[in-house]
Amino acid sequence: GQQLNQSPQSMFIQEGEDVSMNCTSSSIFNTWLWYKQEPGEGPVLLIALYKAGELTSNGRLTAQFGITRKDSFLNISASIPSDVGIYFCAGRMNSGYSTLTFGKGTMLLVSP
Amino acid sequence: GAVVSQHPSWVICKSGTSVKIECRSLDFQATTMFWYRQFPKQSLMLMATSNEGSKATYEQGVEKDKFLINHASLTLSTLTVTSAHPEDSSFYICSALHSNQPQHFGDGTRLSIL
Repeated sequence: GQQLNQSPQSMFIQEGEDVSMNCTSSSIFNTWLWYKQEPGEGPVLLIALYKAGELTSNGRLTAQFGITRKDSFLNISASIPSDVGIYFCAGRMNSGYSTLTFGKGTMLLVSP
Repeated sequence: GAVVSQHPSWVICKSGTSVKIECRSLDFQATTMFWYRQFPKQSLMLMATSNEGSKATYEQGVEKDKFLINHASLTLSTLTVTSAHPEDSSFYICSALHSNQPQHFGDGTRLSIL
């Protein structure tokens, strides 16, 4: 089946630093989504991308849909302690009703 | 934004009992709901896709007789873990989908079987 390669696996940074993580695939996706999951909770949608080349921001978060439609990245600027969590990318190949393929997640730790 | 409610959030029960988990879309009608399982430090693993009024589609390796899914209305899907055993202990998460929108997830149910 399809696989998403998400990197890095984990990051430990100082408050105020910028963060970048990405996902790549051997398959083309029509939608890229980025979620954040905190311990004991379900994933929360951060950004949704629908067009190749699209660059979308949500506060300090910026994500881009790669031109080849096989990759996406998420940047977090000026990180704060509450950014701690696991960030998942997810891709959807076809219509809105098709299933998502998830990356393995990037665990982000931010020290004050 | 879209809200998905999952209940219970945490359950502990004896081996051999059955456990029902509910997933509700609170402010939209979900034509499709998904059930995932997540082990510690791992990503979400899709178990089944549930469409209102029809039988669920299970992923390879997921026992349909073990994990019963009912999607009786556009706002409610249930997952019943039948005759649960310790190896069924996990974090179960549902998500709901409306039209062409992104999936929104519930807060998950931590299931512990003794």
